Amino acid sequence: DSGVTQTPKHLITATGQRVTLRCSPRSGDLSVYWYQQSLDQGLQFLIQYYNGEERAKGNILERFSAQQFPDLHSELNLSSLELGDSALYFCASNRGDTGELFFGEGSRLTVL
Amino acid sequence: ILNVEQSPQSLHVQEGDSTNFTCSFPSSNFYALHWYRWETAKSPEALFVMTLNGDEKKKGRISATLNTKEGYSYLYIKGSQPEDSATYLCALLIYNQGGKLIFGQGTELSVKP
Repeated sequence: DSGVTQTPKHLITATGQRVTLRCSPRSGDLSVYWYQQSLDQGLQFLIQYYNGEERAKGNILERFSAQQFPDLHSELNLSSLELGDSALYFCASNRGDTGELFFGEGSRLTVL
Repeated sequence: ILNVEQSPQSLHVQEGDSTNFTCSFPSSNFYALHWYRWETAKSPEALFVMTLNGDEKKKGRISATLNTKEGYSYLYIKGSQPEDSATYLCALLIYNQGGKLIFGQGTELSVKP
């Protein structure tokens, strides 16, 4: 158990809908990362937050947004969903330095 | 577009074989290099974090080296066991871009008994 909690574990929805994925980082970790893993793709960096502030941004679509709240949990919002958004979304956390990431179990999103 | 390249893409070995993988990255972007082990149906777990040129890290039968000047890292597994079967990922923490940690595509290792 990494100490990182992601909900929901599985989500099935329709095109055009909006979903929110939630992540609670490991106790004491200030930094949260979001990654997307699509079929046959590696882990694609979406965005990173540190202590409530956006710190680094990857190839995150404009339809996607994220935030980190004062209690350090983070949410990834995906809107106007398309079939290609079906993927496993991982959240990871660390203390915010160069240290290793601790990954949650992922949220598997299926868009029908 | 910054690329972190891993080779080979997949590797099939017999139990007891020793093996190694390569991770290549643009040396000018280096801040830190991570190695992760990712078993099927699980989440990636960190093996090593390396920050200094010439770093060598070891954990049991697994070790890693780092050359930041030429932009590569090697991961070695001595005497592979079936339980070593997994995808091994390297990730580059990019200099001067906050916490941007970019993963390679991974090397999928299969160890047959």
